[in-house]
Amino acid sequence: DAMVIQNPRYQVTQFGKPVTLSCSQTLNHNVMYWYQQKSSQAPKLLFHYYDKDFNNEADTPDNFQSRRPNTSFCFLDIRSPGLGDAAMYLCATSKKGTSTDTQYFGPGTRLTVL
Amino acid sequence: EDQVTQSPEALRLQEGESSSLNCSYTVSGLRGLFWYRQDPGKGPEFLFTLYSAGEEKEKERLKATLTKKESFLHITAPKPEDSATYLCAVQAAEGYSTLTFGKGTMLLVSP
Repeated sequence: DAMVIQNPRYQVTQFGKPVTLSCSQTLNHNVMYWYQQKSSQAPKLLFHYYDKDFNNEADTPDNFQSRRPNTSFCFLDIRSPGLGDAAMYLCATSKKGTSTDTQYFGPGTRLTVL
Repeated sequence: EDQVTQSPEALRLQEGESSSLNCSYTVSGLRGLFWYRQDPGKGPEFLFTLYSAGEEKEKERLKATLTKKESFLHITAPKPEDSATYLCAVQAAEGYSTLTFGKGTMLLVSP
């Protein structure tokens, strides 16, 4: 089945220790997104890639970076995690140029910062 | 600025007790309104996309409807497995825009 895969599902890091979260997709979608979701809150878009074009949301902290080495993979790097960065990180994909442009989400990575 | 407000924040139903969830939105031209289901500790699962006022879509016990200002997710004779948080999101028509999500309605269906 075509899908969005996130690894790891759970990540524990220490305050200030860099961490990388991974997302891969078999849907052959040209857009990939990273969201941050805290408890009982709406998913908050951090950035997205349309093919190789990177689009950063205006209020995304510089502490968050992303890489998309190819169509299938996208990474979220948190350079110096703080306690406030503990959250669920969601990867999503969509195919721009279709009528629906629906976003499909992965299972998420729960990040804990000690 | 696009805005999405969902109500109620939480809803508790008995099995078989039908109800509706509300999603009110303001957007500068609607391209699409999306409903997702999210189980605890998991990513959102796509349910429906609605594009224009008057449109309706159904899936099992769920039916989504759309007006110019709001959308409803009707749940008919819910079962405990329908318990989840239901998220609503809008996409604006201008240019290429991303989704604006509401905070969701947490639904608990008791047997």
